[in-house]
Amino acid sequence: DGGITQSPKYLFRKEGQNVTLSCEQNLNHDAMYWYRQDPGQGLRLIYYSQIVNDFQKGDIAEGYSVSREKKESFPLTVTSAQKNPTAFYLCASSVGRDEQFFGPGTRLTVL
Amino acid sequence: AQSVTQPDIHITVSEGASLELRCNYSYGATPYLFWYVQSPGQGLQLLLKYFSGDTLVQGIKGFEAEFKRSQSSFNLRKPSVHWSDAAEYFCAVGASGNTPLVFGKGTRLSVIA
Repeated sequence: DGGITQSPKYLFRKEGQNVTLSCEQNLNHDAMYWYRQDPGQGLRLIYYSQIVNDFQKGDIAEGYSVSREKKESFPLTVTSAQKNPTAFYLCASSVGRDEQFFGPGTRLTVL
Repeated sequence: AQSVTQPDIHITVSEGASLELRCNYSYGATPYLFWYVQSPGQGLQLLLKYFSGDTLVQGIKGFEAEFKRSQSSFNLRKPSVHWSDAAEYFCAVGASGNTPLVFGKGTRLSVIA
């Protein structure tokens, strides 16, 4: 079955640590996206990539970094510069103007 | 730039009652419009989408939505709500190419017996 996988489902981070969230898709989609979700805030765009080896900042990119070395993979690193990283993180992919397909999400908690 | 407004943060309906969730968008050209549903702790699932043609679109789980260009609206409806419909609902608008969808802040639906 084609789809998007995110791992891990739950992630705990100590203050000052960098952590990397994985996102993989086998839909052969060109574009991939990372969103952060907080209660009552909806989805806020962190980064997106329209093609391999290229990506753009979204609305809340500070404290995050990404890479897009392969079409199927778009990992997100939450750095120690992100002051309030506890949230639910969603990865998505799409082709053209069509719908975005979402992964199941990763819940990150800072201890 | 495009934007989406979902005026209702939280709606409570009785099981079996009808439902309408409101969505207003701002976009200069012909929009691509979407409704997604999210259960707690899950990803988003597409309910339906509108690109062109018939302004009344049918989706999964018995949902439908109507595109009204004159009102810049794309409201989601269901004639009879089931307890399993309790979730958060997001409206989104798409622009050109592979640019990200713009999402509303969501409407949380509670269903009571």
